[in-house]
Amino acid sequence: NAGVTQTPKFQVLKTGQSMTLQCAQDMNHNSMYWYRQDPGMGLRLIYYSASEGTTDKGEVPNGYNVSRLNKREFSLRLESAAPSQTSVYFCASSDSGTTGEQYFGPGTRLTVT
Amino acid sequence: GQQLNQSPQSMFIQEGEDVSMNCTSSSIFNTWLWYKQDPGEGPVLLIALYKAGELTSNGRLTAQFGITRKDSFLNISASIPSDVGIYFCAGRRGGSNYKLTFGKGTLLTVNP
Repeated sequence: NAGVTQTPKFQVLKTGQSMTLQCAQDMNHNSMYWYRQDPGMGLRLIYYSASEGTTDKGEVPNGYNVSRLNKREFSLRLESAAPSQTSVYFCASSDSGTTGEQYFGPGTRLTVT
Repeated sequence: GQQLNQSPQSMFIQEGEDVSMNCTSSSIFNTWLWYKQDPGEGPVLLIALYKAGELTSNGRLTAQFGITRKDSFLNISASIPSDVGIYFCAGRRGGSNYKLTFGKGTLLTVNP
């Protein structure tokens, strides 16, 4: 099992450009999440999908959109990138049972110039 | 929103020493999780705790779910250089709410 995979691993964008970060999991998990990690800020939830067909805003959703393509895949889109979106982005997944354990991908390091 | 206060923010220790770190909250959590993040990697789940007072070990790591359900502790015994990294605590309130609240991390440096 690969667990949670993310592409790309690194990306540099110019202000105003758009891009989609891809995430896939092979653990048959129902719930998936997108976080951003910034120095001194910890992990902050951008969007999550409790189950296939549903998405909800997290703590910092502005400037992002998401798509739960199917049970395996959850993508994050930046429509018009801004320097403030320079960050490391992590996708995670969890069983929707009672444990709450989330499993993370390796991250995408995004720089917006 | 909810916050987890994780301390210390950083630690610099000698190989072989024991390490303790903790997380506290003003809110009650039903689940406490501890993660480790190596440089350039994603967080990896170390230990999960589900009951107040629970003490769980994973090798040299031991974590406890506080009796008040508002705190959790992680201890690392006999540290080794590969213990270097950032350790995060996370709490989940339970029910249908799957979201986790994360601490800001403890950066551990081990001097060989």
